[in-house]
Parts: sequence; C-alpha cells; structure tokens
Amino acid sequence: AQKVTQAQTEISVVEKEDVTLDCVYETRDTTYYLFWYKQPPSGELVFLIRRNSFDEQNEISGRYSWNFQKSTSSFNFTITASQVVDSAVYFCALTVYSSASKIIFGSGTRLSIRP
Amino acid sequence: GVTQSPTHLIKTRGQQVTLRCSSQSGHNTVSWYQQALGQGPQFIFQYYREEENGRGNFPPRFSGLQFPNDSSELNVNALELDDSALYLCASSMIAEDGYTFGSGTRLTVV
Repeated sequence: AQKVTQAQTEISVVEKEDVTLDCVYETRDTTYYLFWYKQPPSGELVFLIRRNSFDEQNEISGRYSWNFQKSTSSFNFTITASQVVDSAVYFCALTVYSSASKIIFGSGTRLSIRP
Repeated sequence: GVTQSPTHLIKTRGQQVTLRCSSQSGHNTVSWYQQALGQGPQFIFQYYREEENGRGNFPPRFSGLQFPNDSSELNVNALELDDSALYLCASSMIAEDGYTFGSGTRLTVV
C-alpha cells in the first residue's frame, strides 16, 4: 500500500523567513512519482513539481527548492525568503507506475506567512 | 485549463447530483477527487478514452462519464451528509507528467 505523511498540520512564519515543509512517503514500488501541489483559498490545486524515483537530484526553482532522499523516503520542500503570497495549503503526493491513475495525497500543510 | 461547474451546490440528503468538468484541450485522461474539509483529496475514479480506468474506495453510487469533446461528469446518487466536500476534476495527457486540476465544485448536502 502507498501512503504519504505530512506531519506538519500548520506552520506560521514571518515574511522573509525560510520554511521547510516535510513529506514522508511509503511504497514498495520501485518506479514512482512524487509531486507537490499548492492549494490557495480559491481551491484549485496548482502543480509545483514532479520527481521520478530514479532522479534524486535536488531541484531549485526561484525561491522554491526540493530535497528528495530515497534513503529516508522523504521529499521535502523549502521556500526561501517567504512571501505573503506563499500562504496556502501545500500537498505532497505520490503515484506509482503500476497504478498511475491514482494520486495519493498527504493531508496537507497549511502555511501562513505573516507580514 | 480545467473548468468545473457549478462552483457551489446545495442538495438535500437522498437527492442525486451531477457535476461537470471540461478538461484541458488534448488531455485524454480525467480523474475525479473528493476533498473533505481539512483533508487531502481522495481518488474517486479515472476515465481514459471514455472508459473507467481505475477506481478508489467509493461506492457504486458514485459514477462517471467521459465524452469525446473533453468533457466529463461525476454523478452521485442517494446523497449522504458525508458527501459534503470539494470535488476536484483533473486532466492529463500522461499521468506521470502530473495533472491539471480545476477549482472544484463545493457540494453541501443538508
């Protein structure tokens, strides 16, 4: 069975602070894909990143960076110099190659950036 | 992008509801998710080229259709109070590339 755990339910930081959102996943499949989505108050899920299980390179996109470590089954997301517009619920998600129709989401982390 | 209608809906327990989704042009796969308040989305089912291609742990009263014109429907019969949630539609060309989600339909069952 597959599972995604986001242990941080809510995080609140002051603007310009760095913040890391944790994600731990479980799967026995060797081929899988990990995602991060952002859900602003409007409700839609905004795709941020996809990583496949064979690519452990960390990725940086502007103020966003992702740290994928297969050894600890973690796929953490860091926002550098946070801004108020980053306030949203963030979901880590997993899909496995053998069942690519289904995305398994974590329970989400609500991030609040205070001015 | 992906558009969903209506944005909000209130139904009475026992009624039936149809939610609609227009996929991103060219996407041949559409999935539906249920997101209860404060939780992550839960997979309901997926359609690929108008055939159901995977289903989550939802009862048969949740059904769907996908049409050739990039539109799809989620039908829920015999509504229960616990069906109150945000229903999200997502489309994709290749599942591994990620899905494009709509803004959802918020269903309230009273």
